[in-house]
Amino acid sequence: GESVGLHLPTLSVQEGDNSIINCAYSNSASDYFIWYKQESGKGPQFIIDIRSNMDKRQGQRVTVLLNKTVKHLSLQIAATQPGDSAVYFCAENIRGSQGAQKLVFGQGTRLTINP
Amino acid sequence: NAGVMQNPRHLVRRRGQEARLRCSPMKGHSHVYWYRQLPEEGLKFMVYLQKENIIDESGMPKERFSAEFPKEGPSILRIQQVVRGDSAAYFCASSLPSWYQETQYFGPGTRLLVL
Repeated sequence: GESVGLHLPTLSVQEGDNSIINCAYSNSASDYFIWYKQESGKGPQFIIDIRSNMDKRQGQRVTVLLNKTVKHLSLQIAATQPGDSAVYFCAENIRGSQGAQKLVFGQGTRLTINP
Repeated sequence: NAGVMQNPRHLVRRRGQEARLRCSPMKGHSHVYWYRQLPEEGLKFMVYLQKENIIDESGMPKERFSAEFPKEGPSILRIQQVVRGDSAAYFCASSLPSWYQETQYFGPGTRLLVL
């Protein structure tokens, strides 16, 4: 079936440290993945995406790694800041017939940055 | 503000009333998606629309829920005869008009509370 799940529901790190958030997906045919950040009371905010023809993609302080063999995604945040505190979701873009598309979200990981 | 707009941000309804949620996509985006989020959970896909067309409504409850995206004006998610279980945050996302997998950008959401 379609499902995207996260290994760790909560994660606390010290400010300035690096953090890694993990995600497993089950649809081996999926070829597009996105990480979103959601702060309290707000909508999901796009962070970074990766397509299946890549293993790694880097942004500003963030890196996404994709391991298709074990169907695993990770989001690495370098030098964490208080503003990084939020819930992080991985999402898998599922394509259907006639161009239909939808995102399947994981449950989310709550990241807390300690001063 | 070039982002996805949603209104109202908060909506309170009594059981049996109707709820209308509106979404204006980002400029240049003609694809709209609606998702529902329960507390402490990930977002769940409801419906995918293009202008005047419903492409995929596989996530919509069969009764009481409907969505439209007219040629002019915002997309509307309508919930008739609301029940307490409809209380949730409803998010709209939009993407570029492309058959390729395009990034979905989310609005701030409408938080519906059914009394």
